[in-house]
Amino acid sequence: SQQGEEDPQALSIQEGENATMNCSYKTSINNLQWYRQNSGRGLVHLILIRSNEREKHSGRLRVTLDTSKKSSSLLITASRAADTASYFCATDNYGQNFVFGPGTRLSVLP
Amino acid sequence: DSGVTQTPKHLITATGQRVTLRCSPRSGDLSVYWYQQSLDQGLQFLIQYYNGEERAKGNILERFSAQQFPDLHSELNLSSLELGDSALYFCASSVLDSGYEQYFGPGTRLTVT
Repeated sequence: SQQGEEDPQALSIQEGENATMNCSYKTSINNLQWYRQNSGRGLVHLILIRSNEREKHSGRLRVTLDTSKKSSSLLITASRAADTASYFCATDNYGQNFVFGPGTRLSVLP
Repeated sequence: DSGVTQTPKHLITATGQRVTLRCSPRSGDLSVYWYQQSLDQGLQFLIQYYNGEERAKGNILERFSAQQFPDLHSELNLSSLELGDSALYFCASSVLDSGYEQYFGPGTRLTVT
């Protein structure tokens, strides 16, 4: 099965609300990254958090990493319709491979 | 625009055929990654090259091969194509080896009929 598993699979919220997505993984990692993909297009890198970091912020994004629980969360605050996309976590296993989860499909309703 | 280019954008071919997908990384990036995205398998890492050498291998079939040239562009060769190979193929690049953010190209949509 996939190294990274996002939860929930789909999320629908109103504009202005916060969206939280979770990612769990199975093995030791070097870093964990979050990406966004608009339908059928290339992925866009959002944020990278290294295994020795616990929290990172970038604009309206907040990412946490708990290596003891092998989990990460992505929080998007004050969501906008333009945030509608699929969000993927990806784990970097010390260069051995790079594994994406199945993604969370986020819909932000105006 | 990520700075990563992929050609062609769309490719339609028949089963049993062979195709080549091309990727030019961002200027200065040494690593190139190839991914396959299909509805049933999600986004699968295929292979990574770093400065011309194979660095990591994922779920790449034996019918598929790749290489990175001295000018750092990369090609993914898919042979003996099957219907199940129909997918979006993405190339990504990063400045150095793993541990850095990847910049994705727009993808090549391959349809095998």
